[in-house]
Amino acid sequence: DTGVSQNPRHKITKRGQNVTFRCDPISEHNRLYWYRQTLGQGPEFLTYFQNEAQLEKSRLLSDRFSAERPKGSFSTLEIQRTEQGDSAMYLCASSLAPSGNTGELFFGEGSRLTVL
Amino acid sequence: AQTVTQSQPEMSVQEAETVTLSCTYDTSENNYYLFWYKQPPSRQMILVIRQEAYKQQNATENRFSVNFQKAAKSFSLKISDSQLGDTAMYFCAFMTRRRMNSGYSTLTFGKGTMLLVSP
Repeated sequence: DTGVSQNPRHKITKRGQNVTFRCDPISEHNRLYWYRQTLGQGPEFLTYFQNEAQLEKSRLLSDRFSAERPKGSFSTLEIQRTEQGDSAMYLCASSLAPSGNTGELFFGEGSRLTVL
Repeated sequence: AQTVTQSQPEMSVQEAETVTLSCTYDTSENNYYLFWYKQPPSRQMILVIRQEAYKQQNATENRFSVNFQKAAKSFSLKISDSQLGDTAMYFCAFMTRRRMNSGYSTLTFGKGTMLLVSP
């Protein structure tokens, strides 16, 4: 396992369609995060899992967004009824907790969403 | 709420020179961590350096060092002997220690500084 893997890397969709992104964290990491990054901005926190439990969700995560981590391994982020404002890079990160937690998050390369 | 401000959208430096990237933050917390992350073009973000607020000594990692001024809430990154591979977007980020130890933790990022290293 060489790092956090995200798929697809790029997704172009029409407004109103649903999209799903997948994140495979580093295998021994029990924490998994989703961030959104728009042009000219730093990443913004969306949601966070410890094992399979979703422990925190940002106000940015509207009811059109849902994230799961069913077996505490990979995670999916689904956006329903996409809007043009959803166009962004969606970043996944993982970390190990509680022992050995230095605060460092390990990021994937991101999934870029373009909504036409 | 915590905020992180990076006032330099872009910086340029020539190879082998030294450059300093600025970051200020605002928080009412006393125990926290500060980070600089690097995001090369089309590649994943990686940690450059980390500073614990309760440590007075500035962190250093090879050519990268920080100037942490807690009272001023300033956390600048100095890159010495700049290399072409240092070209990237650099993000300053903040995490409260309380939140990290309680079992969950989130990073608050600044908007980033694009650093271009030229030959």
